[in-house]
Amino acid sequence: QVQLVQSGAEVKKPGASVKVSCNTYGYTFTGYYIHWVRQAPGQGLEWMGWINPNSGGTNYAQKFQGRVTMTRDTSNSTAYMELSRLRSDDTSVYYCAREVGSGSQNWFDPWGQGTLVTVSS
Amino acid sequence: QSVLTQPPSASGTPGQRVTISCSGSSSNIGSNTVNWYQQLPRTAPKLLIYNNNQRPSGVPDRFSGSKSGTSASLAISGLQSEDEADYYCAAWDDSLNGWVFGGGTKLTVL
Repeated sequence: QVQLVQSGAEVKKPGASVKVSCNTYGYTFTGYYIHWVRQAPGQGLEWMGWINPNSGGTNYAQKFQGRVTMTRDTSNSTAYMELSRLRSDDTSVYYCAREVGSGSQNWFDPWGQGTLVTVSS
Repeated sequence: QSVLTQPPSASGTPGQRVTISCSGSSSNIGSNTVNWYQQLPRTAPKLLIYNNNQRPSGVPDRFSGSKSGTSASLAISGLQSEDEADYYCAAWDDSLNGWVFGGGTKLTVL
């Protein structure tokens, strides 16, 4: 079945970078966009952007432009999200999710299990 | 502050029907479909409703969605203890050129 499996928890110091991976299984990796969504402790969901695994094209939320880079490796069906210049308020669980649907009717299914990134000195 | 507005909490007793609202604007809910996600404690979000009112296979028909204008609603009938979770609405926003979420509604089964 379709699965997204993310890399393990990370602890980083302020100013450092973190790179989270999202390994995909059970479908054609290049056929579906991958999105990244984060959730701060006790807070709601925040969309960060997407990558088109076929072309490598990206679209980042304005809040993260200049700090986030989304890439992919089609040889192992894996998407990556790198966030730089980390601050304490970047402490969150980061999720990848596959976009499904067509045209203007799309949704996220499934989601990865999440990766906790803790930023602390 | 979330772009889509949801009540922070909702509650009901087993067997009751509860509804959760999601209010947006013409650039998101008013012009695009709405999806709902269920997040059980300490787990990743899971798709609950897509395209305003469609249920993925495996989601009980106790869950239903609707949309009118710039608002959407999630209804849960025959409330069960396992429905206790956080619920999020989401839609594409044409002005922001990105996905927006509601702040989430924590459902408590009393």
